[in-house]
Amino acid sequence: GAVVSQHPSWVICKSGTSVKIECRSLDFQATTMFWYRQFPKQSLMLMATSNEGSKATYEQGVEKDKFLINHASLTLSTLTVTSAHPEDSSFYICSASVFPGQGMGKLFFGSGTQLSVL
Amino acid sequence: QQPVQSPQAVILREGEDAVINCSSSKALYSVHWYRQKHGEAPVFLMILLKGGEQKGHDKISASFNEKKQQSSLYLTASQLSYSGTYFCGTERVDSSYKLIFGSGTRLLVRP
Repeated sequence: GAVVSQHPSWVICKSGTSVKIECRSLDFQATTMFWYRQFPKQSLMLMATSNEGSKATYEQGVEKDKFLINHASLTLSTLTVTSAHPEDSSFYICSASVFPGQGMGKLFFGSGTQLSVL
Repeated sequence: QQPVQSPQAVILREGEDAVINCSSSKALYSVHWYRQKHGEAPVFLMILLKGGEQKGHDKISASFNEKKQQSSLYLTASQLSYSGTYFCGTERVDSSYKLIFGSGTRLLVRP
């Protein structure tokens, strides 16, 4: 099956620093990747849709200057949390759709990144 | 707009059945179901594309009523491994190619 690798699994950083999270599709090409954010015991909130070679599409209320997304290749998308603050602490998880042709194909998720900002 | 799931939580004894519902106020193209265990990534269960479509594997099945914009997930003869949080994800007709997840239903199966 399709595998999505996400790194790091967890990161602790000081307030004001930037953190980069990588999401790779290991055995398939993902033209589209999705970034979600999840607070404890809550749902997955879509942050943005990442398209290879073009700008990401952000959901309403998501600050694109704070959450920089780059999808430079068909197998790699990165999320950079810039000038992180404690309220940015959360579980960030990426996913990729294998067959986006007829509507959404099933999503394969990375293992997620737990970010803690001190 | 996030789809609404019910119930929020359910506790079962092994072998019992459960139904989880998902409804949207918007017209849907598809409904997805995922299960997430604590500290892990969500795992795909199934996609339903057409109105009235039903799918299933093993003892987990689902239905999708396109006219009512509702889907239900049926868990029969539950097993301990079914414990986790179940999310429905909806793809709207007016906003396709992205999945918006419901609030989740926490399921605990006890021996």
